[in-house]
Order: sequence, then structure tokens, then C-alpha cells
Amino acid sequence: SQKIEQNSEALNIQEGKTATLTCNYTNYSPAYLQWYRQDPGRGPVFLLLIRENEKEKRKERLKVTFDTTLKQSLFHITASQPADSATYLCALTMDSSYKLIFGSGTRLLVRP
Amino acid sequence: DAGVIQSPRHEVTEMGQEVTLRCKPISGHDYLFWYRQTMMRGLELLIYFNNNVPIDDSGMPEDRFSAKMPNASFSTLKIQPSEPRDSAVYFCASSSGGSAGYTFGSGTRLTVV
Repeated sequence: SQKIEQNSEALNIQEGKTATLTCNYTNYSPAYLQWYRQDPGRGPVFLLLIRENEKEKRKERLKVTFDTTLKQSLFHITASQPADSATYLCALTMDSSYKLIFGSGTRLLVRP
Repeated sequence: DAGVIQSPRHEVTEMGQEVTLRCKPISGHDYLFWYRQTMMRGLELLIYFNNNVPIDDSGMPEDRFSAKMPNASFSTLKIQPSEPRDSAVYFCASSSGGSAGYTFGSGTRLTVV
């Protein structure tokens, strides 16, 4: 069956460190992989998109890698801040369809 | 732009009643999506539209759910009759397509008692 797996346990790190979140998928051949941030009581907010033929994408303190052989994406936040505390969701889009399928998300807590 | 606008923000209704959720997408976005979010199942895609036409409704749980998009600036998701297991946060999102990300609304928290 098709699965998108994100670590269900919260990631707890010290301010200033790099946070690394993992997204693994099985039985998908995604055209795009996206990362979103969700705060309590709010809708997800788009952060970054990476295509299947791209290895890495950066935006300010954010970096995403995409390994289609390992079927894995890593999401990094460098110089993390307490304001980065939120749930981060990865999502896949297949080439044949425009619909976005989400993982369950990983909660990030950045301690001051 | 005010973003994707959903109404109401909260809805409490009794089992068996009809519920209508509303969404106004971002102007110029050709795609509109309805998602449902629960703790147990996460974010589930219910249905999506392209240029006001339903493209994929395979996520709609059952015949009690229906969605319409009569024009480019408005969509509804209706549940009739509602059941307690429909309690969730319902999100609407829109996108311009291609490699653009989705823009989500603030959601409607539905409680069916």
C-alpha cells in the first residue's frame, strides 16, 4: 500500500541548533514533494517545493533534499528559533494527478 | 489578496442536520481542494476541482457528502445528514497549478453532537 511516513514523536531541540525532519514514502513515484508548516488552529502554510529531478532546494534558513532512490526527503531548519515551533507536514504530488497527499506531520519544539 | 476565505469558522450541529461549509478561493487560482483533518487520520483529500469541474472525488467518504463549485469564486461542501464521526476540521485550499504550492484557508471546525 502507499504510505507517507513522518516521525510521529515530537522533535525537541535547543535554539540555535539545526532541526532535521524526515519524510519517507513507499509505493509512490512523486513528481513533486512539498513541505508545509501548521500552527495550532490554523491551516497549513506552504514552505518549499522540490521536483523529482532536483536534489536540493534552499530558502533562507530552510533546506530540503529529495532522494528518489531512497524515497526520502529531509527538511532542515538551520539556526532554529522558538518561533519555528510548529508541526511540519510533507506532501506528495503524482505526475498523473495534481492532488496533494499529506503525511501525518512531525511536531518541532525549539527550546529557548 | 485576503487569501482563501472559509465560513463559518466553527459549526456545532445536531446529528441528522444538514451542514454547509463555504469557501472563497484566491482569485485567479484554477484549482480548489477540500480536505478534512482529524487526529486519527491526519489531512485527507476529499475532492478537488479544476476550472470549477470536479476532477477527483474518490476521497469523499460516502453519499452523505457532496461538493459544488458553481463559479470560480465559490465552493460549498455539504453533509446531509451529519453524523458525530463527521466531526473534524475541514479545510479548503486553492492553487494556480503546476509547481505552485497550495494556499489553505483557516478551516471550519465542525462538531456534530
